[in-house]
Amino acid sequence: SQTIHQWPATLVQPVGSPLSLECTVEGTSNPNLYWYRQAAGRGLQLLFYSVGIGQISSEVPQNLSASRPQDRQFILSSKKLLLSDSGFYLCAWSILTSTGELFFGEGSRLTVL
Amino acid sequence: AQSVAQPEDQVNVAEGNPLTVKCTYSVSGNPYLFWYVQYPNRGLQFLLKYITGDNLVKGSYGFEAEFNKSQTSFHLKKPSALVSDSALYFCAVKGSARQLTFGSGTQLTVLP
Repeated sequence: SQTIHQWPATLVQPVGSPLSLECTVEGTSNPNLYWYRQAAGRGLQLLFYSVGIGQISSEVPQNLSASRPQDRQFILSSKKLLLSDSGFYLCAWSILTSTGELFFGEGSRLTVL
Repeated sequence: AQSVAQPEDQVNVAEGNPLTVKCTYSVSGNPYLFWYVQYPNRGLQFLLKYITGDNLVKGSYGFEAEFNKSQTSFHLKKPSALVSDSALYFCAVKGSARQLTFGSGTQLTVLP
């Protein structure tokens, strides 16, 4: 069966420091991969999605970037964190030919101080 | 453009009573509809989906949802609520667009 791993689970970082959140999927090949941000425990904002290695689409301009160095690995990064980057970050995957349902990781809680 | 509305930020229900969490949508083409549940500090868990066929869809943990094309609704229901059902619930839709669109979420509280 397919599983998704996301780490670290929690992170406290000072303003201006770099960020790296990692997500890996097991048990499937060539998944679509996504990064979402959830602020204040509510709505989901799609940040990035990828349909293949090296292929990244950005949904909103921001202080973050994403990379997909391997088929089942998706990384969210920042060179210099802002206070507004605080939030709950969720990685998700879907099957390319599916009806679109997403399967989520357990999330990473980022607090920028 | 596709959109989802969850008109209630908060739903409170007594344990043992039936519950309904409302969702309406707008899409181009035939909709694919989904419900997810999120417990505190956890990722979203897939509950159920409607793709085609029977308008009543059964999912995990005793939840079901009814697709109503004329009212463009996909309300989540459960005959008898449990305290452990208390969580944040998200409706999502996919039409001809490439990605899912999520609603803003409804916080369900089941009172003992």
